[in-house]
Amino acid sequence: NAGVTQTPKFQVLKTGQSMTLQCAQDMNHEYMSWYRQDPGMGLRLIHYSVGAGITDQGEVPNGYNVSRSTTEDFPLRLLSAAPSQTSVYFCASSYGGGPHNEQFFGPGTRLTVL
Amino acid sequence: TQLLEQSPQFLSIQEGENLTVYCNSSSVFSSLQWYRQEPGEGPVLLVTVVTGGEVKKLKRLTFQFGDARKDSSLHITAAQPGDTGLYLCAVYSSASKIIFGSGTRLSIRP
Repeated sequence: NAGVTQTPKFQVLKTGQSMTLQCAQDMNHEYMSWYRQDPGMGLRLIHYSVGAGITDQGEVPNGYNVSRSTTEDFPLRLLSAAPSQTSVYFCASSYGGGPHNEQFFGPGTRLTVL
Repeated sequence: TQLLEQSPQFLSIQEGENLTVYCNSSSVFSSLQWYRQEPGEGPVLLVTVVTGGEVKKLKRLTFQFGDARKDSSLHITAAQPGDTGLYLCAVYSSASKIIFGSGTRLSIRP
């Protein structure tokens, strides 16, 4: 079991560029989510999905798009990168979306937008 | 306004000392989770508490959920350098939306 994998590990973009952060899990988890982590702050929820074909917005969804065509994959798209999107991005998955479920996190993608 | 307030924000203590960190809110939750995050890695779940007043122990770590289910504490006995990390509490604010506190960054000096 690879768990939750994220690619790339590091990325530098110029303002206005677009890119996709990849996230995959091999645990057959229904629930997947994306967070960003900024210095001095915890994790803020960007988007989440309760199953293939279903996505919803979290706390900070602006500037990000997601889709969930398969159970395994949950990519995060930045359509036009801005310096405010410089952050560390974490993908997570869990068996369900209920409050007792353990979230399994990937290793993170460190994104810098110049 | 943060749904979850964690304190202190930073804590640096000597190996062998005891410490307590807190996670507070004005809202009531059905459960609360504690995660630990080491540098360069994603958070890892330590415990889930679900009943008001519940106490759970994980080796030298003791977790307590407040009687009113609005707050929680994490107490570490005889801290070790391996306890160093960012401690995060998390709750479900609504169906399927998980909210994290801003964390307590703990440093244990040998």
